[in-house]
Amino acid sequence: QKEVEQNSGPLSVPEGAIASLNCTYSDRGSQSFFWYRQYSGKSPELIMFIYSNGDKEDGRFTAQLNKASQYVSLLIRDSQPSDSATYLCAVYAGNNRKLIWGLGTSLAVNP
Amino acid sequence: SQTIHQWPATLVQPVGSPLSLECTVEGTSNPNLYWYRQAAGRGLQLLFYSVGIGQISSEVPQNLSASRPQDRQFILSSKKLLLSDSGFYLCAHRTGNEGNTIYFGEGSWLTVV
Repeated sequence: QKEVEQNSGPLSVPEGAIASLNCTYSDRGSQSFFWYRQYSGKSPELIMFIYSNGDKEDGRFTAQLNKASQYVSLLIRDSQPSDSATYLCAVYAGNNRKLIWGLGTSLAVNP
Repeated sequence: SQTIHQWPATLVQPVGSPLSLECTVEGTSNPNLYWYRQAAGRGLQLLFYSVGIGQISSEVPQNLSASRPQDRQFILSSKKLLLSDSGFYLCAHRTGNEGNTIYFGEGSWLTVV
């Protein structure tokens, strides 16, 4: 059974701090990795994807991928109250046909 | 650009009643389409996916069904709803680029009473 695991949280950080969200996956053959943000009552929206080892930056967000250790993380710099949401990690299984979802980490940014 | 629409946004249905949720995609042809359900406090559960007209794959056996009558139309149905069918239903499509990213519609909240 291919799995994606996230700490459910809630993760609480003060405004302006760095929020660090982690995700581990079981399928060593996984190729593509995604972070989505989901506000309460809304549909998930893509933050970024990554498929190469290392860091990928987009504005205040940085995704970090380590395939050897089978984890992908999301860093949010200068966290804002508007970043308070549930963050979902998703991973394509080795054949890139089925997306496996984590249960999400709830983030609260306190003013 | 590609956009995805689904409706209705919210509905309250009695147990045993039928269901029809509709989803359409614009700005692309022959998209891969998906129906997900997200129950309260739970993760995203893939219900159905379709790679083309009339081609439906079911991930979880249940009293729901899906149809794809047109290239960019995907419909989720039930003949008789159960209380356990309550949840947030999401239609999604997959792009061929951007690492095969999945994009979601606005979602439909279903409450079965």
